[in-house]
Amino acid sequence: GAGVSQSPSNKVTEKGKDVELRCDPISGHTALYWYRQSLGQGLEFLIYFQGNSAPDKSGLPSDRFSAERTGGSVSTLTIQRTQQEDSAVYLCASRLRDGTGLNTEAFFGQGTRLTVV
Amino acid sequence: LAKTTQSISMDSYEGQEVNITCSHNNIATNDYITWYQQFPSQGPRFIIQGYKTKVTNEVASLFIPADRKSSTLSLPRVSLSDTAVYYCLVGDFRSSGTYKYIFGTGTRLKVLA
Repeated sequence: GAGVSQSPSNKVTEKGKDVELRCDPISGHTALYWYRQSLGQGLEFLIYFQGNSAPDKSGLPSDRFSAERTGGSVSTLTIQRTQQEDSAVYLCASRLRDGTGLNTEAFFGQGTRLTVV
Repeated sequence: LAKTTQSISMDSYEGQEVNITCSHNNIATNDYITWYQQFPSQGPRFIIQGYKTKVTNEVASLFIPADRKSSTLSLPRVSLSDTAVYYCLVGDFRSSGTYKYIFGTGTRLKVLA
C-alpha cells in the first residue's frame, strides 16, 4: 500500500479481555516498530522487527504484551488480560533497511486508539 | 543511545520564523540527528535529518554546530497548520547501526493568529 496501515483505528475493550492490533507496513520495508503513546505523552518504544532476525522486545512493558510478524510483512500486537493503564494509542512504523548504509526515515501509521473500560 | 533534551513548549505567531533547539551532549561519532513532527491524532512524520553544519529542505532547515552537542530546527514563516509536537532524535540510524528510534517528550509548538 501507499503507507503504513493500522487496524482497527479505534478499539474499546473491557478490562481483562485480550486484544489484537494489526499493522500492515509499507511493501518492501523490512524493519517494523511498535510504539505506545499515552495521552499528552511522548512515544514509548515497544518492539522492533528486522527481517528474519530475532525481534528486540526490550520495550514491552509486561509479559501480557507480545507481537509477531508473519512472512516479514504484517505484524500483530497482542495484549492479554488488558488493564486500564493499557489505554493509549498504539503506533506502528516501518522503515526500509538500506544495505548501502544510508539513513532512511521511518513511516508511521495513524495508530490504533485503545480504550480499556 | 544519546539522550536529547528539548523545551516542553513554545508559542509563536503566524509568519514568524521559529527555532526549536535540542541538546544532545553525548552524541556519538556515528550518530545522526533527525526531527519528526506529530499532529494531533496522527503518527509522527519525518521532517529533516543531518549530521553536521546545515541541511535544508522544502520544509525546514537544520543547523548543527561543529561540536554537534546541540541542533536547531528552523521553520520559516510558520502558519497555524505548523502547530504540532516536534521531536528530536539522535542515533546511528544506518542499517548497520542502532535501529531504535527513542522519542523524548518533544517540543509542543503552538502557532497563534
